[in-house]
Amino acid sequence: AQSVTQLGSHVSVSEGALVLLRCNYSSSVPPYLFWYVQYPNQGLQLLLKYTTGATLVKGINGFEAEFKKSETSFHLTKPSAHMSDAAEYFCAVSGIGGADGLTFGKGTHLIIQP
Amino acid sequence: NAGVTQTPKFQVLKTGQSMTLQCAQDMNHNSMYWYRQDPGMGLRLIYYSASEGTTDKGEVPNGYNVSRLNKREFSLRLESAAPSQTSVYFCASSEAGTSGSWYEQFFGPGTRLTVL
Repeated sequence: AQSVTQLGSHVSVSEGALVLLRCNYSSSVPPYLFWYVQYPNQGLQLLLKYTTGATLVKGINGFEAEFKKSETSFHLTKPSAHMSDAAEYFCAVSGIGGADGLTFGKGTHLIIQP
Repeated sequence: NAGVTQTPKFQVLKTGQSMTLQCAQDMNHNSMYWYRQDPGMGLRLIYYSASEGTTDKGEVPNGYNVSRLNKREFSLRLESAAPSQTSVYFCASSEAGTSGSWYEQFFGPGTRLTVL
């Protein structure tokens, strides 16, 4: 069984500040890990993914995440927040790949203060 | 390319009514999925179809049925709607099939359903 825990249902940062959204996972098999972003009244868009290989992965819009197996974590960061980053962010895990569905965390609402 | 499309965008039902949510993709993907999104719960998998002709239950299948009509279309049916099924429903698709490799899931814009 897999599970995802996102710390903080709401995170508020100032424009230009570091963004850090936390994600911890539990998986009985080597995980595939993802971050998705959802803008208001829209579907989900893939930000970045870790499947195999390099543990530091870069995504769209300047986001990156690092897979740390020893800490079972996959935190999302961005050096400098922009107003357009305000959205809901979801961490997700897939344990086997192939056609498996994703197991999502409960989401973190990112608020950008001007 | 429209990607993944869902109809309707909004729907209000009374308890006990039935309806079918439609999903279609034009990316020639093998696998399709239905998720529901509830406040503070993230997205939860209802059903999925790894390939045309197959369907499997996800985490929260009770009260729902699905049909993989052909490779493009995957519908979700509520036979007797309940207030607990008030939610936003997302359809997704991916190339995955039965290959064992991971492929990105692409999401539709969602259907907002209210059951009174």
